Amino acid sequence: GAGVSQTPSNKVTEKGKYVELRCDPISGHTALYWYRQSLGQGPEFLIYFQGTGAADDSGLPNDRFFAVRPEGSVSTLKIQRTERGDSAVYLCASSLNRLYEQYFGPGTRLTVT
Amino acid sequence: AQTVTQSQPEMSVQEAETVTLSCTYDTSESDYYLFWYKQPPSRQMILVIRQEAYKQQNATENRFSVNFQKAAKSFSLKISDSQLGDAAMYFCAYRSEGSQGGSEKLVFGKGTKLTVNP
Repeated sequence: GAGVSQTPSNKVTEKGKYVELRCDPISGHTALYWYRQSLGQGPEFLIYFQGTGAADDSGLPNDRFFAVRPEGSVSTLKIQRTERGDSAVYLCASSLNRLYEQYFGPGTRLTVT
Repeated sequence: AQTVTQSQPEMSVQEAETVTLSCTYDTSESDYYLFWYKQPPSRQMILVIRQEAYKQQNATENRFSVNFQKAAKSFSLKISDSQLGDAAMYFCAYRSEGSQGGSEKLVFGKGTKLTVNP
């Protein structure tokens, strides 16, 4: 079956602009995670959804970052007033529920110029 | 908070040889899961192997095996008969057991870049 997909694959934006990153989880997976991977680092947790609700957003760095999952499937990570420090690969993962293996998408590489 | 440390930024191995990647972690929990993920240049994180902390037996998956030392909080990955396709970044990750009702997010180390020489 289809895996986790993320669009766009790459995104270049100017400092101060607004961006949206999309994640399509595996069908039927209720848990969805966003991670951020900076150059030379391991992924760092941003936010976790169980169904439609954000059950844990403790990893969001500041209020410029926001994520939604309105129908319990597709999720969008939204970044306002982008800064150069936001440049990273944004990874999405989904799992059947929070206790099962997380399957990762290929990520979106965000570059803020 | 849990932390994961990978002390080897880079490792290299000859094709068909064996290599061991190191990982240590810090936690006050008694039940948890440990993982090794592989990330090739395509960026896709692929699960290599997992270990439940309550199991004394070390996990194995074909050419991949772990040496889990719970008291020492050590979780190394051994790759036998290394192949060119094994070249990638390898990340060690920790996850809580889940009885506390949290998000069960993964906590990753910084990774080890493995090069396989023909």
